[in-house]
Amino acid sequence: KQEVTQIPAALSVPEGENLVLNCSFTDSAIYNLQWFRQDPGKGLTSLLLIQSSQREQTSGRLNASLDKSSGRSTLYIAASQPGDSATYLCAVMNTGNQFYFGTGTSLTVIP
Amino acid sequence: EAGVAQSPRYKIIEKRQSVAFWCNPISGHATLYWYQQILGQGPKLLIQFQNNGVVDDSQLPKDRFSAERLKGVDSTLKIQPAKLEDSAVYLCASSTPLAAQETQYFGPGTRLLVL
Repeated sequence: KQEVTQIPAALSVPEGENLVLNCSFTDSAIYNLQWFRQDPGKGLTSLLLIQSSQREQTSGRLNASLDKSSGRSTLYIAASQPGDSATYLCAVMNTGNQFYFGTGTSLTVIP
Repeated sequence: EAGVAQSPRYKIIEKRQSVAFWCNPISGHATLYWYQQILGQGPKLLIQFQNNGVVDDSQLPKDRFSAERLKGVDSTLKIQPAKLEDSAVYLCASSTPLAAQETQYFGPGTRLLVL
């Protein structure tokens, strides 16, 4: 069974810093990996999706990388802002189109 | 394009009571998912529908949880009887088989508190 782990569980940084969130998964037979953002009391918003054949995806200040063979992904956030404060979830999609989620990293950006 | 709708947004019940949640997916999305998210954890898949058929319900506690998706559109998730450990956010998501490996779109969730 696929297991997804995210480190760190919580992170607090001053505004303007660059930061990296980590995600690891145990089964490399995935279709894609996705990073989501979750704000308190709200659903999940997709940030970046990386297909299994891709190495990275970029959107604005966000860059996600995927190393399928080692079962790792990172989400890089450049020049962090207070509005980036949220929980970031990593999820992998298996061959049955089912998502397995990590436990998330709670990010606080201090003004 | 309207998003995934869920109701109610909040529900407080006592243990051993019954509760039902409703989800309306994005129009045209054939695949519908129900997730349970306990505080401090990531979402856990409970059940996946393709149209009105069940694709995966391996993590659904079938002794107390049930779900249906009549006519392949709306879906309801029921808990009967509820236990304290069922307190969680229940998220509904949908996706289109035309992009089967693409993203799922999530609703705002129903926050359940069992006392």
